[in-house]
Amino acid sequence: DTGVSQDPRHKITKRGQNVTFRCDPISEHNRLYWYRQTLGQGPEFLTYFQNEAQLEKSRLLSDRFSAERPKGSFSTLEIQRTEQGDSAMYLCASSYPSGGSGRTDTDTQYFGPGTRLTVL
Amino acid sequence: AQKITQTQPGMFVQEKEAVTLDCTYDTSDPSYGLFWYKQPSSGEMIFLIYQGSYDQQNATEGRYSLNFQKARKSANLVISASQLGDSAMYFCAMREAEGSYIPTFGRGTSLIVHP
Repeated sequence: DTGVSQDPRHKITKRGQNVTFRCDPISEHNRLYWYRQTLGQGPEFLTYFQNEAQLEKSRLLSDRFSAERPKGSFSTLEIQRTEQGDSAMYLCASSYPSGGSGRTDTDTQYFGPGTRLTVL
Repeated sequence: AQKITQTQPGMFVQEKEAVTLDCTYDTSDPSYGLFWYKQPSSGEMIFLIYQGSYDQQNATEGRYSLNFQKARKSANLVISASQLGDSAMYFCAMREAEGSYIPTFGRGTSLIVHP
């Protein structure tokens, strides 16, 4: 049984470069989430997919961030023209709609190990 | 306004003792779910326990139990018989049924278990 995987685990980049992260959810999970976490804070929601549809995107997310889930399986998160403020842990989580397709309150999210981004 | 409040930035407990980590929440949605996660220094968020707003009994999972007081809007995590491996950050989170899909996390509590 494989959990959520993320690649790479660590990424160091120079300011202005583009970076892309990948997330592979648990195979039967059709919901996928991206979060950002900075030191001393809880995870901050970025975006959410149900199958291939991106259903919600945080207003805090700038236009430099884009996420895709083209076939409803793995997802990618791209950050263009990185800034030092983008340095954080990027977490991916997946879930299965245990309470029925329309409910979210019963969803248990399972997280990957995260990708730690450092922008120099 | 903060939907999830964890007022204890850090907690210390002796090995084998029990410890309670506080969490209060704010919602007007009658249907919601409350979750606790553990995050060791490695960074991975590990799901611990879930409590639904309509659940009649407090949730328990092994050494973890949730002291759910709906009227007070609190969902405290109780860890019994603490182990050195319990040292980690602990996050409380909430999801509402009628609201958006966005789960809300607290700022976390750092737990240190000492021998």
